[in-house]
Amino acid sequence: QQPVQSPQAVILREGEDAVINCSSSKALYSVHWYRQKHGEAPVFLMILLKGGEQKGHDKISASFNEKKQQSSLYLTASQLSYSGTYFCGTEYSGGGADGLTFGKGTHLIIQP
Amino acid sequence: KAGVTQTPRYLIKTRGQQVTLSCSPISGHRSVSWYQQTPGQGLQFLFEYFSETQRNKGNFPGRFSGRQFSNSRSEMNVSTLELGDSALYLCASSAGQGKGLGYTFGSGTRLTVV
Repeated sequence: QQPVQSPQAVILREGEDAVINCSSSKALYSVHWYRQKHGEAPVFLMILLKGGEQKGHDKISASFNEKKQQSSLYLTASQLSYSGTYFCGTEYSGGGADGLTFGKGTHLIIQP
Repeated sequence: KAGVTQTPRYLIKTRGQQVTLSCSPISGHRSVSWYQQTPGQGLQFLFEYFSETQRNKGNFPGRFSGRQFSNSRSEMNVSTLELGDSALYLCASSAGQGKGLGYTFGSGTRLTVV
């Protein structure tokens, strides 16, 4: 069961902020965030592990609420280079490793 | 440090044929995963290999198979191609096995089945 991402798409002006959410109905071990530009490979942004944490670098940060099984990606003072499709990939708690289960993605368009 | 290399970048095959895609992970990475990306279904996990052993398999038919060599390079094979197999096939490598590790993706192989 794939995680649910919201919103599906967002259009911003350069300098505005954005929040992308990722919710799971299953207990999560970790949440991965990737950005993919058209025709390119998904690029790893960050990973958050269960236990609830926040991470960030530059103006992109994320949080993981273990109680709600939810993660949010925050893009502050967006730049044109932030445009792309953002995916959350989840690993579930429990035995074994099942690979990443990805959400359907959030299309982010930054306009000058 | 070279990234994940996938070959070929583009492929056109006819329905019923088979195809083999190749992936070379980042040097030192021993885990290789494969994903299928389509507009309708998004990114879906195919399988994961570590030290030449398949550790996990996603929900795909047996026509999809893979293997990993002793140098960590991996291949995936799709037999009896169907039109619905047209997709971007992505390979991702990771330093080790287990959860909580980041993955580096290759640029993918765009497969078109006609």
